[in-house]
Amino acid sequence: DTGVSQDPRHKITKRGQNVTFRCDPISEHNRLYWYRQTLGQGPEFLTYFQNEAQLEKSRLLSDRFSAERPKGSFSTLEIQRTEQGDSAMYLCASSLAGGVYGYTFGSGTRLTVV
Amino acid sequence: TQLLEQSPQFLSIQEGENLTVYCNSSSVFSSLQWYRQEPGEGPVLLVTVVTGGEVKKLKRLTFQFGDARKDSSLHITAAQPGDTGLYLCAGTRIIQGAQKLVFGQGTRLTINP
Repeated sequence: DTGVSQDPRHKITKRGQNVTFRCDPISEHNRLYWYRQTLGQGPEFLTYFQNEAQLEKSRLLSDRFSAERPKGSFSTLEIQRTEQGDSAMYLCASSLAGGVYGYTFGSGTRLTVV
Repeated sequence: TQLLEQSPQFLSIQEGENLTVYCNSSSVFSSLQWYRQEPGEGPVLLVTVVTGGEVKKLKRLTFQFGDARKDSSLHITAAQPGDTGLYLCAGTRIIQGAQKLVFGQGTRLTINP
């Protein structure tokens, strides 16, 4: 098992463009989470899936954001009409059940909107 | 407002010194986790504490969960330059019927040779 993989590692895009990130969780983990982290802050929760069902979305996730997890395996996070305020590190994590004993994070996707 | 407050936010000390980082909240957590994050990478889990008063040791790192499960501390003995990084505490609790992991803002630790 290679852990949680995220692609791409870095993305620079022009304001107004759409971007999509991919996350491949640990195969045995049924829960998958997306977090966003800005400079100098801890990660902030965006959304999570249990298998293929998206169970919760944070108020931070505006209508321009959408996440999917088809077939309960990999997940994608799409941001439409990007804004400069979307610049951040987008982190994916996976866990067994509720994750009381810990999450495994990927290396993140660093998004820069210019 | 931050659900978990970490202090200090920044700490720079000399190699060989000891240090303690604190993670405080007014809320009770099912468990509390400590992560370490390197620049450009995701957080890596160091330890999970579940029981109030629990103490766990990981080499020179000692983690303690408060008796009331509202706070935690991380103590590093004889700090080394390799300990440099961002230390994040995170707590799990039920929010609106779902188990959530919420993070503190982190403590950026620099160990100078």
